[in-house]
Amino acid sequence: AQKVTQAQTEISVVEKEDVTLDCVYETRDTTYYLFWYKQPPSGELVFLIRRNSFDEQNEISGRYSWNFQKSTSSFNFTITASQVVDSAVYFCALSEESSGYSTLTFGKGTMLLVSP
Amino acid sequence: DAGVTQSPTHLIKTRGQHVTLRCSPISGHKSVSWYQQVLGQGPQFIFQYYEKEERGRGNFPDRFSARQFPNYSSELNVNALLLGDSALYLCASSLIGGVRENGYTFGSGTRLTVV
Repeated sequence: AQKVTQAQTEISVVEKEDVTLDCVYETRDTTYYLFWYKQPPSGELVFLIRRNSFDEQNEISGRYSWNFQKSTSSFNFTITASQVVDSAVYFCALSEESSGYSTLTFGKGTMLLVSP
Repeated sequence: DAGVTQSPTHLIKTRGQHVTLRCSPISGHKSVSWYQQVLGQGPQFIFQYYEKEERGRGNFPDRFSARQFPNYSSELNVNALLLGDSALYLCASSLIGGVRENGYTFGSGTRLTVV
């Protein structure tokens, strides 16, 4: 069975600090996709990034960066110079394919609190 | 363009009652998936529908059922509500189904409280 572990339940930082959210996954699939979603208090899951298992190139997008390491089954997410608006719950997720359709397996989430 | 629309936004029900939650996908999207998110947990897959057919079902009891209409909107029904059904119910739409092909867009969810 597929599994996603986000060991950090809650992280508190002061504005402008850098913060890294950890994600470790388990899968027997050779082809899979990894995702990060942000969930603000409004409840909507906001898509941040999708990575497939063949693309280990790390990416930077503005203040966000991602570090995908297949050897350690990790897909970590870093926010540089955090801002109060970054406060939210962040979910790492793994796509799972079964009988011709795919779904997402989510971790339990990491709550990020950025204070002024 | 409107995003994924879910109604109602909040709902309070009594144990044993029935509830219907509704979802309208993004225009042109033919697949709808339902997820349950209990407080403090990540979302869990309940159902996926594509072209009005059930494609998959998660590990949920038969009290949970769903359907998709010709206009691709969807309903999630839960019978004989239990306190443990209290959760945020999220609907996600995609073009042709399956998160790998083209990703999901989630709605803001329906927060169900069972008392």
